Amino acid sequence: AQSVTQPDIHITVSEGASLELRCNYSYGATPYLFWYVQSPGQGLQLLLKYFSGDTLVQGIKGFEAEFKRSQSSFNLRKPSVHWSDAAEYFCAVGVTGGGNKLTFGTGTQLKVEL
Amino acid sequence: GAVVSQHPSRVICKSGTSVKIECRSLDFQATTMFWYRQFPKQSLMLMATSNEGSKATYEQGVEKDKFLINHASLTLSTLTVTSAHPEDSSFYICSARAPGGAYGYTFGSGTRLTVV
Repeated sequence: AQSVTQPDIHITVSEGASLELRCNYSYGATPYLFWYVQSPGQGLQLLLKYFSGDTLVQGIKGFEAEFKRSQSSFNLRKPSVHWSDAAEYFCAVGVTGGGNKLTFGTGTQLKVEL
Repeated sequence: GAVVSQHPSRVICKSGTSVKIECRSLDFQATTMFWYRQFPKQSLMLMATSNEGSKATYEQGVEKDKFLINHASLTLSTLTVTSAHPEDSSFYICSARAPGGAYGYTFGSGTRLTVV
C-alpha cells in the first residue's frame, strides 16, 4: 500500500524567506502526487498536482514542487513566503487502481514570522 | 470552477442523537464523493467512498452502521452519524471528483461536530 511521509511537523520561517516543505512517498510505480493547504477550520485547497511529464510543477500562490523519482520525493517550495501562507500543508498520493483514493501525509504546520 | 458545499459548518448535538452532514457539488456532477475524518492536529483519514446510486465502500475499521452514507443524486452525498457519542466529535470533510481527470478533487469546507 502507498504511504506518505512529511518529516517536519512544524516549520517557522520569516516573511520573505524561502520555503521548502518535504514530502516522501512509498509506492512501487509512479504515483499521482498532490499538495494541499488547509487554513484553520477549513477544507483543503489544491496547490498543485503531478501526474506525469515535467517533473517541476507550478501551482497557485507562487508555489512549485519537484518530483524526484530517485528520492521518492515531492517537495514543495516557494521563493518568498508571505504571512498569509501560514497554514497546514498536506502532501497526498493517489494510485491507479486504488479506487482513486488519496492517502495523506500527517501535515506540516507552517508559521510565518513577521 | 468546481465548488463543493458542505453543511453545516458546525454542529453540536447531544449524546445518543443522530446528525446529518450534507456535501453538495454545486456546479458539476460528482459520481464519486469521499468522506474524511480529521482529528485535531492530525491528517485526514478516509472513512468511505460514496458512489452515486450504489452502496458506499467503507475503509477498514469504520463502522458502516454508525456512519451512514447516502449518495442519492449526482450532486449530493450525506453522512449521518447515528447515536453519536463524544468520541465521534471530530472534523468531517467531504470531497468530490470534479471533471478534468480522475484526480480533479475538490474539498468541502468541513463540518466541526461536537457531541456533548
